[in-house]
Amino acid sequence: FILTQPHSVSESPGKTVTISCTRSSGSIGDNYVQWYQQRPGSSPTTVIYEDDQRLSGVPDRFSGSIDTSSNSASLTISGLKTEDEADYYCQSYDTTNKVFGGGTKLTVL
Amino acid sequence: QVHLQESGPGLVKPSGTLSLTCAVSGVSISSRNWWSWVRQSPGRGLEWIGEIYHTGSLNYNPSFKSRVTVSVDKSTNQFSLNLTSVTAADTALYYCARARNDWYGGTFDYWGQGALVTVSS
Repeated sequence: FILTQPHSVSESPGKTVTISCTRSSGSIGDNYVQWYQQRPGSSPTTVIYEDDQRLSGVPDRFSGSIDTSSNSASLTISGLKTEDEADYYCQSYDTTNKVFGGGTKLTVL
Repeated sequence: QVHLQESGPGLVKPSGTLSLTCAVSGVSISSRNWWSWVRQSPGRGLEWIGEIYHTGSLNYNPSFKSRVTVSVDKSTNQFSLNLTSVTAADTALYYCARARNDWYGGTFDYWGQGALVTVSS
């Protein structure tokens, strides 16, 4: 299966942005979705795991959800800060593979 | 503090074998976690390659299955990646990563800094 993300999104500081991740086959609700943030020159870090859980230390401005009707997951970042500017990747799995989305470049301007 | 560090040759010849090792510190590799290899390249994005549990259980990405071997060395708290018959398409930044849980779908909660491997003659 493939996870499709928008190539880029941009929003102003203080605003809210939502990044989508659409699963091509299989139900989005059958396997957990993770979201990773990757700043330039750094390794990915988890911001959301198991669809909507935040790891310790991740601000509550980050939230995740799934929508079975559109077979997609979403990452929402509220109160945008310039430090949120990064690439964001969704990731899920099936019985044979773990798959990453193509990534979304978030610009905060 | 969990820390993962990749090491290995930065240059591999076409048709050769790519070999990397991930040194794990701050936690035993025999903990209840899966240990993975993930690579990243501009053309292919992030790709999961495969993973191992300390018992020796393995899962591989079907795209790599014929070429990849992941192994674990509990005595040195390390795990390794071998990828055979490499081509220029295997040029990438290779990460080792820990999955948070002992079940298949856990998130990758710790990553190494990455090792750049170039395939070229």
